[in-house]
Amino acid sequence: DQQVKQNSPSLSVQEGRISILNCDYTNSMFDYFLWYKKYPAEGPTFLISISSIKDKNEDGRFTVFLNKSAKHLSLHIVPSQPGDSAVYFCAASGGGSRLTFGEGTQLTVNP
Amino acid sequence: GAVVSQHPSWVICKSGTSVKIECRSLDFQATTMFWYRQFPKQSLMLMATSNEGSKATYEQGVEKDKFLINHASLTLSTLTVTSAHPEDSSFYICSASDAGVGEQYFGPGTRLTVT
Repeated sequence: DQQVKQNSPSLSVQEGRISILNCDYTNSMFDYFLWYKKYPAEGPTFLISISSIKDKNEDGRFTVFLNKSAKHLSLHIVPSQPGDSAVYFCAASGGGSRLTFGEGTQLTVNP
Repeated sequence: GAVVSQHPSWVICKSGTSVKIECRSLDFQATTMFWYRQFPKQSLMLMATSNEGSKATYEQGVEKDKFLINHASLTLSTLTVTSAHPEDSSFYICSASDAGVGEQYFGPGTRLTVT
């Protein structure tokens, strides 16, 4: 049972444009959501998070939106840069440290 | 920021041998450490959760006698893959948490190849 799903395995955008990565979840007990960026053969690095009491959190070029009724969150990167090319994982937790990860989306930003 | 290291970063071993992977939190005390496994182009799958000084909690389907986890101190956890087989070849990643609010700091991962 995949409780966190990222339905797009890959996304390609032009430099300077917006990248939108999507994530859906099924467990209504999840109350904290995170996005991680991962390069090949490296561990994930934390990007941005959002609590279920909010619907938006912004940090520089990165904004995460949460739609609780739809059990959907998205990560917006604008403007996209070639260095943003990586695999992006969304993750969710429900009270505690245990995280459930999505399958990841490979983002490619073309110069 | 919080730094987590793993050693070794890459290891090749023969089938039937055991391999130990270390995970250290370098600049904070990790009350909880997690071990994940990732197959190519797949999600990170949680294997087990360990709290310092207590037995690890394994996820369903993970053999605790095969994947031995020891969290001996607040800065060190080890994963030992016993009697390794080629199907154990994977990328193993640890993470550490000091706050219990969902944010984890990940190590760089260990690539295990069993021949």
